[in-house]
Amino acid sequence: NAGVTQTPKFRVLKTGQSMTLLCAQDMNHEYMYWYRQDPGMGLRLIHYSVGEGTTAKGEVPDGYNVSRLKKQNFLLGLESAAPSQTSVYFCASQMGGGLEQFFGPGTRLTVL
Amino acid sequence: GENVEQHPSTLSVQEGDSAVIKCTYSDSASNYFPWYKQELGKRPQLIIDIRSNVGEKKDQRIAVTLNKTAKHFSLHITETQPEDSAVYFCAAGEGSNYQLIWGAGTKLIIKP
Repeated sequence: NAGVTQTPKFRVLKTGQSMTLLCAQDMNHEYMYWYRQDPGMGLRLIHYSVGEGTTAKGEVPDGYNVSRLKKQNFLLGLESAAPSQTSVYFCASQMGGGLEQFFGPGTRLTVL
Repeated sequence: GENVEQHPSTLSVQEGDSAVIKCTYSDSASNYFPWYKQELGKRPQLIIDIRSNVGEKKDQRIAVTLNKTAKHFSLHITETQPEDSAVYFCAAGEGSNYQLIWGAGTKLIIKP
């Protein structure tokens, strides 16, 4: 039981490049989330999904897109990376509302 | 919109002393209040949570109290140990909702 995994662990991009972050969970959770964490700002929700084929915007969605084609996977895309997107990205999954969120190990992204 | 304020941002206590972190929330519909611990370079992990039908919950050295009238809840750690050093996040959510509203975090430093 791997829990929540994220790929890659680290990445350095140049401004304007694109990339996709992959989140996978093997707990059959319905809800999945993408957060970014910046120093002193806690966790900010980018996008989330309440089930396969559904996505919704969170607090800071601009510059990101997501897809949930399979229940176990939640992809976060950056179409044209900007230095302001330098951050640590965490994926999380949850069985249902009002229950524990399980986090992945994080992806450290640097945009030069 | 809904928000959660967390204080203090940094807390330094002597090993063996108690630590208290406080959060206030704005959404009166909130009824689920988890606390997450994030060690340096690691993922956030749930340490304790409380629902609005109880006023206090304990788990060994950790306790959480909730005052729904005042819309605030607190994390209490007794007999602090070096391994308690971490960033602690509070959050608030409504049980049937998908999203948690997160506090900005408290860095807890345990002095030897």
